[in-house]
Amino acid sequence: DAKTTQPTSMDCAEGRAANLPCNHSTISGNEYVYWYRQIHSQGPQYIIHGLKNNETNEMASLIITEDRKSSTLILPHATLRDTAVYYCIVIGTNAGKSTFGDGTTLTVKP
Amino acid sequence: EADIYQTPRYLVIGTGKKITLECSQTMGHDKMYWYQQDPGMELHLIHYSYGVNSTEKGDLSSESTVSRIRTEHFPLTLESARPSHTSQYLCASSVRQSPLHFGNGTRLTVT
Repeated sequence: DAKTTQPTSMDCAEGRAANLPCNHSTISGNEYVYWYRQIHSQGPQYIIHGLKNNETNEMASLIITEDRKSSTLILPHATLRDTAVYYCIVIGTNAGKSTFGDGTTLTVKP
Repeated sequence: EADIYQTPRYLVIGTGKKITLECSQTMGHDKMYWYQQDPGMELHLIHYSYGVNSTEKGDLSSESTVSRIRTEHFPLTLESARPSHTSQYLCASSVRQSPLHFGNGTRLTVT
């Protein structure tokens, strides 16, 4: 499975959009981009995933570049409860055998 | 929703004791996983299973063992706990390419 690169940390003002980037330049054609977040060392929580089209659900939007080498997770109106570590991972055929990496620590400030 | 359950949530135990960390899921998922995570550090896969009677070691070497006798149950055992085993252990499950569902973890401290 391809590796990903994310910024170590980001800040966002409460109520503003949080845009979290992820680089996955070695992604292959059958690999999906998944985003999870982890709050206070609880179990990671699934957010969204996509293959090549942009995706949106009740939690977030995922924008994948046309060459699929990078993506951006968008939390449209960040709240204090969105403060967490966000992981971008690339998954092939086995969802669990993926490297989570260090993720991005997002801090939402009042 | 708590479809995957881990017990105990916290465990403090002395060196040399045998312990079993429990993980059960009610979703009928065929794939199950154990991750180890030290505070503030990344998750490391230590064991996984693709189905009953199937277990494999993950990327991070671990002295623990696992078993998968029933689809819903994937316990992890440490025969002789040591302080170096102090960590958080997270169990997850999935089916096909569905997202991973994680439990809330067991925070283990070995004194």
